[in-house]
Amino acid sequence: DIQLTQSPASLSASIGDRVTITCRASQTVTKYLNWFQQKPGKAPKLLIDGASDLQGGVTSRFSASGSGTHFTLTINTLQREDFATYYCQQSFTVPRTFGQGTKVELK
Amino acid sequence: EVQLMESGGGLVQPGRSLRLSCTASGFTFGDYAVSWVRQAPGKGLEWVGFIRSKAFGGTTDYAASVAGRFMISRDDSKSVAYLQMNGLKIDDTAVYYCTRDIGNYGGKRGGTADYWGQGTLVTVSS
Repeated sequence: DIQLTQSPASLSASIGDRVTITCRASQTVTKYLNWFQQKPGKAPKLLIDGASDLQGGVTSRFSASGSGTHFTLTINTLQREDFATYYCQQSFTVPRTFGQGTKVELK
Repeated sequence: EVQLMESGGGLVQPGRSLRLSCTASGFTFGDYAVSWVRQAPGKGLEWVGFIRSKAFGGTTDYAASVAGRFMISRDDSKSVAYLQMNGLKIDDTAVYYCTRDIGNYGGKRGGTADYWGQGTLVTVSS
């Protein structure tokens, strides 16, 4: 199975900060990498697929890049509604796997 | 509006069975793959498995942790997908989400969960 390792596991940030989350795959997933946001008690929400394609309706504060085994999700000008847990997921092959999550908390 | 709604969760004893349903609306259900994803209390997301659309054979794939115990099926005439869970273990305790998948064309590659249900809690305990 392809392992996805996110870093950091958690981070504290302030409103207006720029934060970057990294996702590393144990083997190449080319560009089959998705990012999800999950708030407490809610279902995850798809933010980005294809490593860098922002979903319709998702704010452009979110951006992502990468290919192969190294990917990043960047949140510019952090807003209160962005405090959540973020997961990467590969859809290169089955079983699809998720990273362990990165919790973004208010400093 | 695309909607997915899971049902059938509850408390079940180890070794018993449970069937979850995922009822869809707002789109042509038969055109899409459906995945199940679970989340144990306080833990991260775990992909359970998915079923492709009939156009791509309606075939299934599963995580190793559930293969041979869980089975996904679909009834496109009712816009419903099912997750049959047999031989339940305490470690299967989780919120179970169904998702609509886009971008899978029959192989093992591609596919993204663009819509999620609200989840249903399954508790396995004696």
